[in-house]
Amino acid sequence: GENVEQHPSTLSVQEGDSAVIKCTYSDSASNYFPWYKQELGKRPQLIIDIRSNVGEKKDQRIAVTLNKTAKHFSLHITETQPEDSAVYFCAATTSGTYKYIFGTGTRLKVLA
Amino acid sequence: EAQVTQNPRYLITVTGKKLTVTCSQNMNHEYMSWYRQDPGLGLRQIYYSMNVEVTDKGDVPEGYKVSRKEKRNFPLILESPSPNQTSLYFCASSFSIAGGSSYNEQFFGPGTRLTVL
Repeated sequence: GENVEQHPSTLSVQEGDSAVIKCTYSDSASNYFPWYKQELGKRPQLIIDIRSNVGEKKDQRIAVTLNKTAKHFSLHITETQPEDSAVYFCAATTSGTYKYIFGTGTRLKVLA
Repeated sequence: EAQVTQNPRYLITVTGKKLTVTCSQNMNHEYMSWYRQDPGLGLRQIYYSMNVEVTDKGDVPEGYKVSRKEKRNFPLILESPSPNQTSLYFCASSFSIAGGSSYNEQFFGPGTRLTVL
């Protein structure tokens, strides 16, 4: 079945450094890729998304890149801050199916 | 206030005792979905609904039922709960556009922590 692999499972960075989380998907028909942030004890919240007709999208300190040929997409956070500490999930879905496949999550710790 | 609500937020029950977790949204969203979250496994989709009376299985539908009789409500039913259904459950909703040409943000409910003894 469809699968999304996410790496690393944990990531520690110094405040101000960059963080990169990578996901690989198996279904070549996938065409929408959201990223969610989940703070401790809270619900997941969308932070950025990208569609398959775009290679890169940026929103302030957050960016997502997509490589359709290699079937992977990445989340980039620059100038990390302590409030960026959370679990991040990638997901993939395919037009017409509405079925979401999530990665297993990355716990990001930003050290002050 | 635009929101997704779930009830109950916490539930401890025993094996085999039927239960329902309710989910309601006030944003007129067409798409609704249920997920379970387990350590190391991320979020796994149980069932989803594209509109009233239209539902489909996600990745882990075994042991669960859903219904979508009204646009705003999407209850999750466990007919005979078992300990392996102990988990954190999230309901989510979003707009969806016919033809699947566009997607919108999924809004998640606060979660329901279920323990089956």
